Amino acid sequence: QVQLVQSGAEVKKPGASVKVSCRASGFTFTSYDIEWVRQVPGQGFEWMGWMNANNGNTGYVQKFQGRVTMTRDTSISTAYMELSSLRSEDTAVYYCARYDTRQRNAFDIWGQGTMVTVSS
Amino acid sequence: ESVLTQSPGTLSLSPGERATLSCRASQSVGSNYLAWYQQKPGQAPRLLIHDASSRASGIPERFSGSGSGTDFTLTISRLEPEDFAVYHCHQYGYGRDTFGQGTRLEIK
Repeated sequence: QVQLVQSGAEVKKPGASVKVSCRASGFTFTSYDIEWVRQVPGQGFEWMGWMNANNGNTGYVQKFQGRVTMTRDTSISTAYMELSSLRSEDTAVYYCARYDTRQRNAFDIWGQGTMVTVSS
Repeated sequence: ESVLTQSPGTLSLSPGERATLSCRASQSVGSNYLAWYQQKPGQAPRLLIHDASSRASGIPERFSGSGSGTDFTLTISRLEPEDFAVYHCHQYGYGRDTFGQGTRLEIK
């Protein structure tokens, strides 16, 4: 079954960091980009950036530059998104999604989402 | 950054009716790389349409997308009970992705 499975919910204090994992199964992990998108409850989606799962190249939205790091471990087909210097405005559901840069058929598979709550 | 504006914010219709959702971009969408997603409460988004008008795998024929440039439309020809959800548009493909704020489709 083609799927992305994310790690569980996190509660963090302001100033801390969070690392969310996204494990791929049912497809060749290194043939895709992994995208990260977040959604503040009740609001729209905000794209954070992308990572090429084959070579590890990344591209981050300027808003998150310096605070976000996207990495991967190809041996276990898992992508990671780490966000540092957390503030209350970072409270959101974080999603990973796959994107085929050759087919360019948008984000066709999404993880189930990881709720990150930032609270003192 | 190109802003996507969806309208209406909320659409109230009955099962069997036709739904028309709009997504307008502040700049022309490159190669018409415009997608539509359906999201139900507590669930991840589900890809419906990519490249403005191509249905994703397994998506029923009652869902169709149209448009080009800056104006795009998602049409659901005859609403089924399971179609009541939030719909998001998304421009992609050039490393400057943005999403609309969503249209809530509710039962009248």
